[in-house]
Amino acid sequence: DGGITQSPKYLFRKEGQNVTLSCEQNLNHDAMYWYRQDPGQGLRLIYYSQIVNDFQKGDIAEGYSVSREKKESFPLTVTSAQKNPTAFYLCATEGDSSYEQYFGPGTRLTVT
Amino acid sequence: QKEVEQDPGPLSVPEGAIVSLNCTYSNSAFQYFMWYRQYSRKGPELLMYTYSSGNKEDGRFTAQVDKSSKYISLFIRDSQPSDSATYLCAMSSSGGSYIPTFGRGTSLIVHP
Repeated sequence: DGGITQSPKYLFRKEGQNVTLSCEQNLNHDAMYWYRQDPGQGLRLIYYSQIVNDFQKGDIAEGYSVSREKKESFPLTVTSAQKNPTAFYLCATEGDSSYEQYFGPGTRLTVT
Repeated sequence: QKEVEQDPGPLSVPEGAIVSLNCTYSNSAFQYFMWYRQYSRKGPELLMYTYSSGNKEDGRFTAQVDKSSKYISLFIRDSQPSDSATYLCAMSSSGGSYIPTFGRGTSLIVHP
């Protein structure tokens, strides 16, 4: 069953704690992306990676970090430096046609 | 001014109506125009894409691009309650980075 998995679906953390969101894909796609979605805000790019061991900052990278040690995996860490981390986080891969992105089911993070 | 503007709605229509969803943009370098559908608490899925100008039809859905006006549309004929979702437009250029720029999304409600 091909696709993108994100875990967990819901995540609750206390303010000041770092938290890591998982993203795994078995589509054999090179490029992977992390987006943040807030109500009425659309998708905003946090980080992206086009190949293993390389990643680039997106529009709102402050307070986030990523790694890309394997083609299949692109975890996102939300650090305590992120001022407003409560949001819906979406992981995506880029298909063979560059315009097409495949999205995971998302992780809803709530920080209190 | 944002690169991509999209009215967040909500847009409420009766079942069977023709729905028109629209986006405007400012970057004349955009060549790929995509529409994604996102059901509540799920990841977006690609619905249709168009390269450059023109129309594209797929079943009940028609995508239109008017590059002279920097305006794109998605029409849904014979709308169904199952079409109730958020529709996100996205655009990318053909040279350099293909990373799409997303609109805020329009929430569509089709009531029986």
